[in-house]
Amino acid sequence: DTAVSQTPKYLVTQMGNDKSIKCEQNLGHDTMYWYKQDSKKFLKIMFSYNNKELIINETVPNRFSPKSPDKAHLNLHINSLELGDSAVYFCASSLTGEETQYFGPGTRLLVL
Amino acid sequence: QKEVEQNSGPLSVPEGAIASLNCTYSDRGSQSFFWYRQYSGKSPELIMFIYSNGDKEDGRFTAQLNKASQYVSLLIRDSQPSDSATYLCAVNRGSTLGRLYFGRGTQLTVWP
Repeated sequence: DTAVSQTPKYLVTQMGNDKSIKCEQNLGHDTMYWYKQDSKKFLKIMFSYNNKELIINETVPNRFSPKSPDKAHLNLHINSLELGDSAVYFCASSLTGEETQYFGPGTRLLVL
Repeated sequence: QKEVEQNSGPLSVPEGAIASLNCTYSDRGSQSFFWYRQYSGKSPELIMFIYSNGDKEDGRFTAQLNKASQYVSLLIRDSQPSDSATYLCAVNRGSTLGRLYFGRGTQLTVWP
């Protein structure tokens, strides 16, 4: 069984479009994260939610809006996509009190 | 100054050798330290974490932490071609739940 899953795996879209990425974890964790990994492999946190409450909100354009309907799900909606948004987006989860973060397979976003 | 810096690499070692990966961090108050391995096109996976000064061993992997020098390293003994990957150092400063700062990674190649 997949522990942290993301959909879609690949996303190719035009500039200006709006798209969403979904993440689900079945590990019973209470904290979920979105990371962006650029073409140079730099992995940087964007958001995190703990028990559906926003904990981390890095300096990210407000075109990016996370939403956590419940502890097992964290979605990322991106408005007005730009070329610079092209990257791999990873979802991760962890359990409060345990620092290990488990990563999903990633969503490869290409904006044309 | 970057939060977490890693030796630039790429690092290339022969099979059976010891691979040494290094990482420095800027926040002296950082509390926990992680090494993730990322194969090309895959998601990061945790190899080891360390909290206390000294060495921590797990199979062929040894993490070393020196808080006075703000330095953490990962040694891979008896390197195998399957160890070829990018190794990411991550630091938790302890100020925000789950907030990890990642280095840019060191690419390791183990040649047979």
